[in-house]
Amino acid sequence: KAGVTQTPRYLIKTRGQQVTLSCSPISGHRSVSWYQQTPGQGLQFLFEYFSETQRNKGNFPGRFSGRQFSNSRSEMNVSTLELGDSALYLCASSLRAGYGYTFGSGTRLTVV
Amino acid sequence: ILNVEQSPQSLHVQEGDSTNFTCSFPSSNFYALHWYRWETAKSPEALFVMTLNGDEKKKGRISATLNTKEGYSYLYIKGSQPEDSATYLCALHTGNQFYFGTGTSLTVIP
Repeated sequence: KAGVTQTPRYLIKTRGQQVTLSCSPISGHRSVSWYQQTPGQGLQFLFEYFSETQRNKGNFPGRFSGRQFSNSRSEMNVSTLELGDSALYLCASSLRAGYGYTFGSGTRLTVV
Repeated sequence: ILNVEQSPQSLHVQEGDSTNFTCSFPSSNFYALHWYRWETAKSPEALFVMTLNGDEKKKGRISATLNTKEGYSYLYIKGSQPEDSATYLCALHTGNQFYFGTGTSLTVIP
């Protein structure tokens, strides 16, 4: 079966712009979570969606937002990009919260 | 915020050596501890899910134990092979979210 698909794989944006990342979970998985990884940091939790509702949110500013559609696909948006937002953004899906994740390959965002 | 620590940060071993690394956490108040393997240029891959004190899981040459009373989990690799080279992540699920450690980077030298 198809894995978790993230698009795009790479992205270069300028400070102040906004960006939207997309994640298509494994078929049947209703929980989608987003993580940020920067050098030297562990995966930092951004938010989790389940059945189109944000269930949990990490400690990130309001510039980071997301949503989930009825087909469980999820998007993450970052507005007013800062240099520090340069990171690998990983999406992970699971059947239910707390179950093991299946991760996507990530989107590498570079802000210049 | 729950601080999950992994040690060592990196490890180089010879092919055939056995090795182990540690995931430490401050609280036993969590639902599950997960181990993931993350190879370069790939996605993190689930290895084990552990929930109970004393849990032991095994998958081929890789095994893991969990001690919730003292707040640690060990991951063991027996007879390391070059294909075991990866970053190994542990993560605690508290019911609301996962807290990941920064990982142990393992390099197996042929």
